[in-house]
Amino acid sequence: GDSVTQMEGPVTLSEEAFLTINCTYTATGYPSLFWYVQYPGEGLQLLLKATKADDKGSNKGFEATYRKETTSFHLEKGSVQVSDSAVYFCALRNGGSQGNLIFGKGTKLSVKP
Amino acid sequence: EPEVTQTPSHQVTQMGQEVILRCVPISNHLYFYWYRQILGQKVEFLVSFYNNEISEKSEIFDDQFSVERPDGSNFTLKIRSTKLEDSAMYFCASSRRGGASGTGKGLNTEAFFGQGTRLTVV
Repeated sequence: GDSVTQMEGPVTLSEEAFLTINCTYTATGYPSLFWYVQYPGEGLQLLLKATKADDKGSNKGFEATYRKETTSFHLEKGSVQVSDSAVYFCALRNGGSQGNLIFGKGTKLSVKP
Repeated sequence: EPEVTQTPSHQVTQMGQEVILRCVPISNHLYFYWYRQILGQKVEFLVSFYNNEISEKSEIFDDQFSVERPDGSNFTLKIRSTKLEDSAMYFCASSRRGGASGTGKGLNTEAFFGQGTRLTVV
């Protein structure tokens, strides 16, 4: 079945460091891909998305490109801030289903001043 | 900005008791979902609901679980007899449209999540 694999955490970075969180997927059909963020004590918020191959999603300085050839959707940010500390979830939604999201395990990011 | 709201934010219940988790989806949304996240683990799909019936459910969603849209605005998740392993954060979500089965190209649309209800079974 469809699945999402993302890099294990936790990830600890210094402020202004470069961030990459790897995400790969397995899916039939033409999935849409998402990154969700969960700040401490809060619910899931959509960070960015891409709906077809080669699309780049971006928001708040974060970017991810839908790579069909490598089945990947890696999350990147050039310069992280303390406020970016959160858990990041990669997810896919497969159009062949009724549309439920399939999540990765999440990667906890801690950014130190 | 419209949002999905969930109540209560935290519920503690004794094992074997029934609990009802409540959600108010965004008003013009047609698809509703429940997910759960056991502490430290990934977010897992439980059930999706459309047109007053379950459209898809996972293996987790067994006979102990049920969902209902009792009054056109609320969307509830009931656990009939809670177990310790039901302790988790439960997220409600809604979307304007869901995936289109069988077409190969879904009408994918964004799911908006509520803040979650933390259920603790003791």
